[in-house]
Amino acid sequence: GEDVEQSLFLSVREGDSSVINCTYTDSSSTYLYWYKQEPGAGLQLLTYIFSNMDMKQDQRLTVLLNKKDKHLSLRIADTQTGDSAIYFCAERGNTDKLIFGTGTRLQVFP
Amino acid sequence: DAMVIQNPRYQVTQFGKPVTLSCSQTLNHNVMYWYQQKSSQAPKLLFHYYDKDFNNEADTPDNFQSRRPNTSFCFLDIRSPGLGDAAMYLCATMGLGGYTFGSGTRLTVV
Repeated sequence: GEDVEQSLFLSVREGDSSVINCTYTDSSSTYLYWYKQEPGAGLQLLTYIFSNMDMKQDQRLTVLLNKKDKHLSLRIADTQTGDSAIYFCAERGNTDKLIFGTGTRLQVFP
Repeated sequence: DAMVIQNPRYQVTQFGKPVTLSCSQTLNHNVMYWYQQKSSQAPKLLFHYYDKDFNNEADTPDNFQSRRPNTSFCFLDIRSPGLGDAAMYLCATMGLGGYTFGSGTRLTVV
């Protein structure tokens, strides 16, 4: 079955870059997504990448996809305290189910 | 704005007392999903619909049922809520533009 793994925690200083990593197992993934969730709130779609791309940039966000290794990363440039949240990667396979990773809690300190 | 609406935002129910959570959408998407998200965990897919075609995840407990009377509405019924069913329940749809999530219903079982 599908399995999506992330490291649990990441702590960075304000102004530095954050890199959140994700690995997945489903080779039929068509799209991969990054969602942000603040405490008590719903899921906010940050960005996504189609499986035939290897990079996508959107303002402070850069997504890198290594399809061979089934590895996805999200880089946040100039990380701010408002970026503190849990970040979920998610994969969409050929069944159209969206399977979420375990989530990475990003803490930004001054 | 077209969106996915979940009511109520917060629901308190008694142990063992049936409860229904509702979701409506104005997007006219034919695919709808219910996810359960427990505290500090990833959203877990319970079931989804392609139109009226119901698809249950293998590990979804029998205690959880769903109804979709028409394209716009989808309900999650918990027949006998236990303390372990306290969670955020997220409804989502999928269309050409990707996934759209509701704000969720936070269920408390007392």
